[in-house]
Amino acid sequence: DTEVTQTPKHLVMGMTNKKSLKCEQHMGHRAMYWYKQKAKKPPELMFVYSYEKLSINESVPSRFSPECPNSSLLNLHLHALQPEDSALYLCASSQIERLQQYFGPGTRLTVL
Amino acid sequence: KNEVEQSPQNLTAQEGEFITINCSYSVGISALHWLQQHPGGGIVSLFMLSSGKKKHGRLIATINIQEKHSSLHITASHPRDSAVYICAVIGDDKIIFGKGTRLHILP
Repeated sequence: DTEVTQTPKHLVMGMTNKKSLKCEQHMGHRAMYWYKQKAKKPPELMFVYSYEKLSINESVPSRFSPECPNSSLLNLHLHALQPEDSALYLCASSQIERLQQYFGPGTRLTVL
Repeated sequence: KNEVEQSPQNLTAQEGEFITINCSYSVGISALHWLQQHPGGGIVSLFMLSSGKKKHGRLIATINIQEKHSSLHITASHPRDSAVYICAVIGDDKIIFGKGTRLHILP
């Protein structure tokens, strides 16, 4: 299995909703990443987990809360988002940090 | 000045043409990614290289560490190669993305 999967593909939520994005890989990778990508811009790194521990938090607002319950799963919990948080959220994984990353298809999030 | 610069920003070419996309960077790196992103959004990692040259099918990537420059070449381009190509460098503690090159291959 050489795939990174993300669910859901699309998500529409209100500013008061609580939702979660999920990312899964079964390649035995020990580093996992969350990126945010606005239209026609490159991805922006949000969080890095290395061996299930938060390694990098790029000053992301607390309304985004990552969680890594085990080495295959990465969640991003969303609460009280703003319309400007609407974007494509990409998950990636690599064997360890700083090696080649494999990307999921992304979740397209719209905040109303 | 951006730490990673790609050129050109946009490129339209005819099917069959040889394509070159360039990436220059100003920071010390351990490796460089070339990524492909189709309109649907998913990103495919094409190459990761830290020296020399790599080839996969019609794609060739080269890097010159001394000159801090990498190129991605596509031979015999095809409309299905139309996508955004992104260069990303891996530094000591972060990954830095270029702004991407939007490639459109006309049939």
